[in-house]
Amino acid sequence: SQQGEEDPQALSIQEGENATMNCSYKTSINNLQWYRQNSGRGLVHLILIRSNEREKHSGRLRVTLDTSKKSSSLLITASRAADTASYFCATYTSGSARQLTFGSGTQLTVLP
Amino acid sequence: DTAVSQTPKYLVTQMGNDKSIKCEQNLGHDTMYWYKQDSKKFLKIMFSYNNKELIINETVPNRFSPKSPDKAHLNLHINSLELGDSAVYFCASSQMVNEQFFGPGTRLTVL
Repeated sequence: SQQGEEDPQALSIQEGENATMNCSYKTSINNLQWYRQNSGRGLVHLILIRSNEREKHSGRLRVTLDTSKKSSSLLITASRAADTASYFCATYTSGSARQLTFGSGTQLTVLP
Repeated sequence: DTAVSQTPKYLVTQMGNDKSIKCEQNLGHDTMYWYKQDSKKFLKIMFSYNNKELIINETVPNRFSPKSPDKAHLNLHINSLELGDSAVYFCASSQMVNEQFFGPGTRLTVL
């Protein structure tokens, strides 16, 4: 079953603008991760946030986690055309056998 | 120095054939995975191996059989291919419950 649902399914912005993607999940988690997938490529890990963390930064990326609402958001600041990709959230549920469950993804298009 | 490699990158075959996809990781990770990504980009875990031992086997037809000859390799063999098997298959590896490293994918097309 699908653990994560992402919103929006597609997002189109101008270069320089910020992009925000949201992820909701259903069960308790150990950690939540965000991945990027460029067209025709494998997934690349962006950032991991543990269940006891509320916010994490990495370069132009900012991730928040609200375990009470079972939701996370990924903010990409000052977007670039090269950020165009699909973005997926993935959760490790507590007690799972090292299983990551992926959301449905957000397709981000950054227009030059 | 590729971290997770898969071969072949593309695989086009007829229905009913048997095919294999190979995966190797040089990261020293203890866990390897196979995922299937459908045309809507939904990514679903198929199998997970930890130190050559199967730990996750999702609802996958028996025609799919993973084989792990050692910790660094996890191959996927598919018997009697069907049209619905057409997808992109990704291999990945990880250490503990940390981030996973994905291979470039194998696009399987069954005609």
